[in-house]
Amino acid sequence: EVQLVESGGGLVQPGGSLRLSCAASGSTFSSYWMHWVRQAPGKGLVWVSRINTDGSTTNYADSVKGRFTISRDNAKNTLYLQMNSLRAEDTAVYYCASPGVRDGYNFDLWGRGTLVTVSS
Amino acid sequence: QSALTQPASVSGSPGQSITISCTGTSSDVGDYNYVSWYQQHPGKAPKLMIYDVSKRPSGVSNRFSGSKSGNTASLTISGLQAEDEADYYCSSYTSSSTYVFGTGTKVTVL
Repeated sequence: EVQLVESGGGLVQPGGSLRLSCAASGSTFSSYWMHWVRQAPGKGLVWVSRINTDGSTTNYADSVKGRFTISRDNAKNTLYLQMNSLRAEDTAVYYCASPGVRDGYNFDLWGRGTLVTVSS
Repeated sequence: QSALTQPASVSGSPGQSITISCTGTSSDVGDYNYVSWYQQHPGKAPKLMIYDVSKRPSGVSNRFSGSKSGNTASLTISGLQAEDEADYYCSSYTSSSTYVFGTGTKVTVL
C-alpha cells in the first residue's frame, strides 16, 4: 500500500517562503492526482491545491493562488508545495493526499501532516 | 469558494442512528456525484468513509452510509458506537476544478 510522508514544515516569518515535500512509497505514485490539504489549529480541513499525473495541470484555492506552487517529480516519487509570501493565516498542518486510484475524486490516502507556523 | 455547510455538532446514544447534513450549491454538491465524507479523530489524519456520494471503501463499516438530494448530501451512522465519536467532514468537487470541504461536525456519543 502506498504511504505518504510529508516534511519541510517549520517556523517562518510573515512574507517568507517554505517548500514542503511529500514522499510516496510504492511504484504507483505517477498514476494518481496528488493534493495538498491544510488544517489550521482547531479548525476544519481546507483544500489547497492539486496536480495531475504528469504535472501539466494544476489547480489552486483562491486563498493561495499566485503565492503557492504545486509540483511533482515522478522519478523521485515526491510531491512539492512551494509557499511564498506566507501570511499568519497560512499557519496550519499541511497534509498531502491522493485518491489512491486513477480518476478518483476523493482523498483515500493521507500523510500524517507537517506543521507550518507563520509568525514573527 | 465558500465551505459547505454542516451542523457544528450532532449527538446520539449508543445504538441510535444519526445523520449529518452537508449543504452546498449547484456548482458543487448539486452538480457532481463526487461527494466524500471523512472521519477525523483528534491528532490524526482524516480517514475516507464514503466516496462518490454513497460508496464505501473496503474496510469501512456498513453502519456508515451516504446519500444526496439536490444541493445537500448526508452521512448516516447507524448503530452508533463509542468509537464513532470524532469530527466528520464532507467534501465535493466543484465546477471550478477545485475541491471544497464542509465546516465540520463534531459527533458525540452520549
